[in-house]
Amino acid sequence: DQQVKQNSPSLSVQEGRISILNCDYTNSMFDYFLWYKKYPAEGPTFLISISSIKDKNEDGRFTVFLNKSAKHLSLHIVPSQPGDSAVYFCAASAGPSFGNEKLTFGTGTRLTIIP
Amino acid sequence: DGGITQSPKYLFRKEGQNVTLSCEQNLNHDAMYWYRQDPGQGLRLIYYSQIVNDFQKGDIAEGYSVSREKKESFPLTVTSAQKNPTAFYLCASKPDPVGYGYTFGSGTRLTVV
Repeated sequence: DQQVKQNSPSLSVQEGRISILNCDYTNSMFDYFLWYKKYPAEGPTFLISISSIKDKNEDGRFTVFLNKSAKHLSLHIVPSQPGDSAVYFCAASAGPSFGNEKLTFGTGTRLTIIP
Repeated sequence: DGGITQSPKYLFRKEGQNVTLSCEQNLNHDAMYWYRQDPGQGLRLIYYSQIVNDFQKGDIAEGYSVSREKKESFPLTVTSAQKNPTAFYLCASKPDPVGYGYTFGSGTRLTVV
């Protein structure tokens, strides 16, 4: 039962263009969403997050959009840089009454930026 | 310099043997987690602990055991009952059980030979 889904295992984008990574979820109790970036043989590092009371959060080149009605979120990276090449994981958490002590992760999308 | 230390980085185990993966944090975080990463399956939760001397099973706890005798330490034992132990194991922590911000260690790659 995959509650958080990243349907694109891989994505290639030209340097300088926009990268759009997508994530869908099924659990309506999820109210907080995070994106993590992971290089090979390293632990994931936090990138950006969004609460369900917002529909957009921006941090430099990174913007996360949340569409609650569609249970969909996306991460936009613009402009894309070679150092952005990594695996990106979407993660979700439910509210305090529904087990927010743990995150549920998607399967990841491998982003490759082409110079 | 605070962080999470996982050791060793690479570990080889013979079939039928138990092996313990170390996870130590000096961030004074209450909650600690163990995840497993397999190709195409993302990160799956094995065990987590919200406070010393207490821990809960995650989604794939079978064949694993943990202890939390100290706040700083959350070792994971992969037992011989774990049918497919070859994977990349990640330890994480966060300041309190109800917060959202995880800090991850750099991982241990376990290979069964």
